[in-house]
Amino acid sequence: AQSVSQHNHHVILSEAASLELGCNYSYGGTVNLFWYVQYPGQHLQLLLKYFSGDPLVKGIKGFEAEFIKSKFSFNLRKPSVQWSDTAEYFCAVIGNTGGFKTIFGAGTRLFVKA
Amino acid sequence: NAGVTQTPKFQVLKTGQSMTLQCAQDMNHNSMYWYRQDPGMGLRLIYYSASEGTTDKGEVPNGYNVSRLNKREFSLRLESAAPSQTSVYFCASSEGVAKNIQYFGAGTRLSVL
Repeated sequence: AQSVSQHNHHVILSEAASLELGCNYSYGGTVNLFWYVQYPGQHLQLLLKYFSGDPLVKGIKGFEAEFIKSKFSFNLRKPSVQWSDTAEYFCAVIGNTGGFKTIFGAGTRLFVKA
Repeated sequence: NAGVTQTPKFQVLKTGQSMTLQCAQDMNHNSMYWYRQDPGMGLRLIYYSASEGTTDKGEVPNGYNVSRLNKREFSLRLESAAPSQTSVYFCASSEGVAKNIQYFGAGTRLSVL
Protein backbone atom coordinates (compact mmCIF):
# COMPACT_ATOMS: atom_id res chain seq x y z
CA ALA A 1 0.00 0.00 0.00
CA GLN A 2 1.11 3.54 -0.65
CA SER A 3 2.25 5.59 2.30
CA VAL A 4 3.75 9.01 2.92
CA SER A 5 6.04 9.83 5.83
CA GLN A 6 6.76 13.30 7.07
CA HIS A 7 9.55 13.01 9.57
CA ASN A 8 9.09 16.21 11.52
CA HIS A 9 5.75 16.72 13.20
CA HIS A 10 6.63 20.03 14.83
CA VAL A 11 9.31 22.49 13.79
CA ILE A 12 10.13 25.78 15.49
CA LEU A 13 12.40 28.25 13.71
CA SER A 14 13.40 31.85 14.09
CA GLU A 15 12.80 34.27 11.24
CA ALA A 16 15.47 34.13 8.52
CA ALA A 17 16.40 30.55 9.37
CA SER A 18 16.45 28.00 6.57
CA LEU A 19 13.76 25.35 6.37
CA GLU A 20 13.76 21.80 5.12
CA LEU A 21 10.80 19.50 5.68
CA GLY A 22 11.23 15.87 4.82
CA CYS A 23 8.78 13.76 2.84
CA ASN A 24 9.29 10.16 1.84
CA TYR A 25 6.81 7.94 0.08
CA SER A 26 6.50 4.27 -0.58
CA TYR A 27 5.25 3.43 -4.04
CA GLY A 28 6.95 1.56 -6.82
CA GLY A 29 5.42 3.22 -9.84
CA THR A 30 5.13 6.68 -11.29
CA VAL A 31 3.96 9.28 -8.83
CA ASN A 32 2.65 12.81 -8.85
CA LEU A 33 3.82 14.79 -5.84
CA PHE A 34 2.36 17.78 -4.04
CA TRP A 35 2.96 20.02 -1.06
CA TYR A 36 -0.11 21.69 0.42
CA VAL A 37 -0.16 24.31 3.16
CA GLN A 38 -2.81 25.22 5.71
CA TYR A 39 -2.35 28.67 7.23
CA PRO A 40 -4.15 29.28 10.52
CA GLY A 41 -7.85 29.68 9.89
CA GLN A 42 -7.54 29.15 6.14
CA HIS A 43 -8.27 26.43 3.61
CA LEU A 44 -5.61 23.99 2.51
CA GLN A 45 -4.00 25.30 -0.62
CA LEU A 46 -1.38 24.11 -3.06
CA LEU A 47 2.21 25.18 -2.43
CA LEU A 48 3.84 23.34 -5.33
CA LYS A 49 3.64 20.17 -7.41
CA TYR A 50 5.84 17.81 -9.40
CA PHE A 51 4.68 15.62 -12.27
CA SER A 52 7.75 15.19 -14.48
CA GLY A 53 10.78 17.02 -15.86
CA ASP A 54 13.14 19.14 -13.77
CA PRO A 55 13.16 17.53 -10.32
CA LEU A 56 13.59 20.90 -8.64
CA VAL A 57 10.27 22.69 -8.60
CA LYS A 58 9.44 26.14 -7.35
CA GLY A 59 6.21 27.14 -5.73
CA ILE A 60 4.59 30.16 -4.17
CA LYS A 61 6.16 32.37 -1.51
CA GLY A 62 9.73 31.29 -2.21
CA PHE A 63 9.25 27.59 -1.49
CA GLU A 64 10.89 24.89 -3.56
CA ALA A 65 11.04 21.10 -3.46
CA GLU A 66 13.36 18.51 -4.91
CA PHE A 67 12.24 15.13 -6.16
CA ILE A 68 14.90 12.47 -5.65
CA LYS A 69 13.58 9.33 -7.27
CA SER A 70 16.27 7.04 -5.88
CA LYS A 71 15.42 8.12 -2.34
CA PHE A 72 11.63 8.25 -2.84
CA SER A 73 11.78 11.74 -1.40
CA PHE A 74 10.22 15.12 -2.10
CA ASN A 75 11.61 17.49 0.50
CA LEU A 76 10.36 21.04 0.87
CA ARG A 77 12.82 23.89 1.33
CA LYS A 78 12.89 27.63 1.88
CA PRO A 79 16.15 29.54 2.35
CA SER A 80 14.78 32.12 4.77
CA VAL A 81 11.47 31.72 6.59
CA GLN A 82 9.18 34.51 7.69
CA TRP A 83 6.72 34.72 10.57
CA SER A 84 3.93 34.47 7.99
CA ASP A 85 5.12 30.96 7.04
CA THR A 86 3.69 29.65 10.31
CA ALA A 87 1.34 26.94 9.09
CA GLU A 88 0.86 23.20 8.74
CA TYR A 89 2.48 21.62 5.70
CA PHE A 90 1.30 18.41 4.06
CA CYS A 91 3.07 16.26 1.51
CA ALA A 92 0.77 14.29 -0.81
CA VAL A 93 1.29 11.58 -3.39
CA ILE A 94 -0.88 10.24 -6.18
CA GLY A 95 0.24 6.97 -7.70
CA ASN A 96 -0.69 5.99 -11.23
CA THR A 97 -2.48 2.81 -10.20
CA GLY A 98 -5.08 1.90 -7.60
CA GLY A 99 -7.61 4.48 -8.64
CA PHE A 100 -5.29 7.46 -8.36
CA LYS A 101 -6.06 7.94 -4.69
CA THR A 102 -4.31 10.83 -2.98
CA ILE A 103 -2.32 9.84 0.09
CA PHE A 104 -1.36 12.63 2.49
CA GLY A 105 1.38 12.63 5.06
CA ALA A 106 0.62 13.36 8.71
CA GLY A 107 1.66 16.98 8.34
CA THR A 108 4.34 19.19 9.87
CA ARG A 109 3.40 22.13 12.05
CA LEU A 110 5.85 24.97 11.53
CA PHE A 111 6.04 27.82 13.99
CA VAL A 112 8.25 30.76 13.07
CA LYS A 113 9.27 33.04 15.90
CA ALA A 114 9.38 36.72 15.06
CA ASN B 1 -16.54 32.57 -7.16
CA ALA B 2 -17.08 30.59 -3.95
CA GLY B 3 -14.94 27.53 -4.85
CA VAL B 4 -15.81 24.64 -2.53
CA THR B 5 -18.54 25.27 0.02
CA GLN B 6 -19.18 22.95 2.97
CA THR B 7 -22.08 23.01 5.38
CA PRO B 8 -22.34 23.01 8.30
CA LYS B 9 -19.13 24.49 9.73
CA PHE B 10 -19.67 22.98 13.17
CA GLN B 11 -21.84 20.15 14.46
CA VAL B 12 -22.26 18.29 17.72
CA LEU B 13 -23.97 14.91 17.64
CA LYS B 14 -24.86 12.29 20.19
CA THR B 15 -23.70 8.73 19.64
CA GLY B 16 -26.10 6.98 17.27
CA GLN B 17 -27.45 10.10 15.61
CA SER B 18 -27.21 10.53 11.88
CA MET B 19 -26.28 13.51 9.78
CA THR B 20 -25.26 14.53 6.29
CA LEU B 21 -22.39 16.85 5.45
CA GLN B 22 -22.98 18.83 2.31
CA CYS B 23 -20.39 19.92 -0.23
CA ALA B 24 -20.80 21.92 -3.43
CA GLN B 25 -18.26 23.25 -5.91
CA ASP B 26 -18.75 25.86 -8.60
CA MET B 27 -15.61 25.21 -10.65
CA ASN B 28 -17.15 22.59 -12.97
CA HIS B 29 -14.74 20.00 -11.60
CA ASN B 30 -15.19 16.34 -12.41
CA SER B 31 -13.72 14.85 -9.25
CA MET B 32 -14.69 15.35 -5.62
CA TYR B 33 -13.34 14.00 -2.35
CA TRP B 34 -14.10 13.67 1.33
CA TYR B 35 -11.26 13.60 3.86
CA ARG B 36 -11.04 13.56 7.62
CA GLN B 37 -8.24 15.29 9.49
CA ASP B 38 -7.13 14.01 12.86
CA PRO B 39 -4.21 15.24 14.96
CA GLY B 40 -0.98 13.51 14.02
CA MET B 41 -2.60 11.60 11.16
CA GLY B 42 -2.92 14.19 8.45
CA LEU B 43 -5.75 13.91 5.95
CA ARG B 44 -7.20 10.52 5.26
CA LEU B 45 -9.39 9.88 2.26
CA ILE B 46 -12.85 8.60 3.14
CA TYR B 47 -14.50 8.42 -0.28
CA TYR B 48 -14.01 10.05 -3.62
CA SER B 49 -15.92 10.47 -6.84
CA ALA B 50 -13.74 10.50 -9.93
CA SER B 51 -16.62 11.69 -12.07
CA GLU B 52 -20.35 12.24 -11.85
CA GLY B 53 -22.08 8.93 -11.27
CA THR B 54 -19.11 7.13 -9.70
CA THR B 55 -17.93 6.78 -6.12
CA ASP B 56 -15.05 4.79 -4.65
CA LYS B 57 -13.78 3.97 -1.20
CA GLY B 58 -10.70 5.63 0.17
CA GLU B 59 -8.55 4.67 3.15
CA VAL B 60 -11.19 4.93 5.89
CA PRO B 61 -14.70 4.39 4.45
CA ASN B 62 -16.24 2.40 7.30
CA GLY B 63 -19.17 4.14 8.96
CA TYR B 64 -19.73 6.54 6.07
CA ASN B 65 -21.76 6.71 2.88
CA VAL B 66 -21.57 9.20 0.05
CA SER B 67 -23.77 10.46 -2.74
CA ARG B 68 -22.61 12.29 -5.85
CA LEU B 69 -25.91 14.08 -6.34
CA ASN B 70 -24.81 15.83 -9.53
CA LYS B 71 -21.60 17.29 -10.89
CA ARG B 72 -21.61 20.09 -8.30
CA GLU B 73 -22.58 18.27 -5.13
CA PHE B 74 -21.04 15.44 -3.12
CA SER B 75 -22.50 14.62 0.29
CA LEU B 76 -21.14 12.52 3.15
CA ARG B 77 -23.52 10.71 5.49
CA LEU B 78 -22.92 9.31 8.92
CA GLU B 79 -25.74 6.84 9.55
CA SER B 80 -24.98 6.16 13.22
CA ALA B 81 -22.34 8.48 14.57
CA ALA B 82 -19.66 7.17 16.91
CA PRO B 83 -17.16 9.08 19.09
CA SER B 84 -14.38 7.78 16.81
CA GLN B 85 -15.87 9.92 14.06
CA THR B 86 -15.08 13.11 15.95
CA SER B 87 -12.86 14.92 13.48
CA VAL B 88 -12.56 17.77 11.03
CA TYR B 89 -14.00 16.86 7.65
CA PHE B 90 -12.81 18.41 4.42
CA CYS B 91 -14.37 18.29 1.00
CA ALA B 92 -12.21 18.91 -2.05
CA SER B 93 -12.60 18.98 -5.80
CA SER B 94 -10.32 18.77 -8.83
CA GLU B 95 -10.61 18.67 -12.59
CA GLY B 96 -9.52 15.04 -12.64
CA VAL B 97 -7.93 12.52 -10.29
CA ALA B 98 -4.40 11.98 -11.49
CA LYS B 99 -2.51 15.22 -11.90
CA ASN B 100 -4.90 17.84 -10.83
CA ILE B 101 -4.67 20.24 -7.95
CA GLN B 102 -7.31 19.75 -5.29
CA TYR B 103 -9.25 22.72 -3.99
CA PHE B 104 -10.48 22.42 -0.45
CA GLY B 105 -13.45 23.69 1.48
CA ALA B 106 -13.21 25.34 4.86
CA GLY B 107 -13.96 22.15 6.76
CA THR B 108 -16.65 20.88 9.13
CA ARG B 109 -15.70 20.37 12.76
CA LEU B 110 -17.75 17.44 14.09
CA SER B 111 -17.92 16.29 17.67
CA VAL B 112 -19.69 13.07 18.60
CA LEU B 113 -20.47 12.75 22.29
